[in-house]
Amino acid sequence: EPEVTQTPSHQVTQMGQEVILRCVPISNHLYFYWYRQILGQKVEFLVSFYNNEISEKSEIFDDQFSVERPDGSNFTLKIRSTKLEDSAMYFCASSVRGGGEQFFGPGTRLTVL
Amino acid sequence: AQRVTQPEKLLSVFKGAPVELKCNYSYSGSPELFWYVQYSRQRLQLLLRHISRESIKGFTADLNKGETSFHLKKPFAQEEDSAMYYCALSSGANSKLTFGKGITLSVRP
Repeated sequence: EPEVTQTPSHQVTQMGQEVILRCVPISNHLYFYWYRQILGQKVEFLVSFYNNEISEKSEIFDDQFSVERPDGSNFTLKIRSTKLEDSAMYFCASSVRGGGEQFFGPGTRLTVL
Repeated sequence: AQRVTQPEKLLSVFKGAPVELKCNYSYSGSPELFWYVQYSRQRLQLLLRHISRESIKGFTADLNKGETSFHLKKPFAQEEDSAMYYCALSSGANSKLTFGKGITLSVRP
C-alpha cells in the first residue's frame, strides 16, 4: 500500500540555520499539506499546496517558511532561520482531493539548539 | 474560526468496558468531521469520518449538529485500542484539518 514518506526522521540544528524537510506524497495525490506538533500540544496546520501554489497558510507560516514541489514527486518545507520555538514534529500529508482523507507521513522531529 | 475541543487528556478503562471519547466543534458552516488514531510508534491514520457513517474496528461516531459534537464510541474496548485519538474538522472548501488536542486511550487487561 502506498505511503507518504518523510526524511530525515530526526534533524538537529543550531538556531539561525536553515533546514529543509522532505516529503514524498502518494503519487496520484494532488493536495499536499504540512502540519506541526510541538511537544505536548495539538497538531497545527501550517500550509496547504495545490496546483503548484500555496492554497492556504496559517499565521505560523511566516516569511521564514517556504514550500516547494521541485520535481513532481518531492514536497519540501524550508525554514530559513530556525528559532528555538520551531522545535516540533513536522508532518507531511497528502490527499487525492481537497477535503478528503489526508494520508500522513511518519513525521520529522526537528530539534533546534 | 473553526475549533475542535477534546476535553479529556486521558481515558483509562479495563478490557471489555465501553468507551466514549468526547469531541465538540465550533464552525459556522457545514463541517466534515474525522477521527484520526495514532498507535504507538506509528503514523496518524484515519479511523473514521462522519460522512461514511460506518463502523471501523467496532468504533462509531455520530455527528450531532445540535450539540456540535462528534463523540467516538465503542461498546467493548480491546487492549489493541490503546492509542492516541484525535478529532479533526475540515471545512471542505479549503480542506485543511483543524485538530483537537487528542486523548490517550489506555485499555488495561
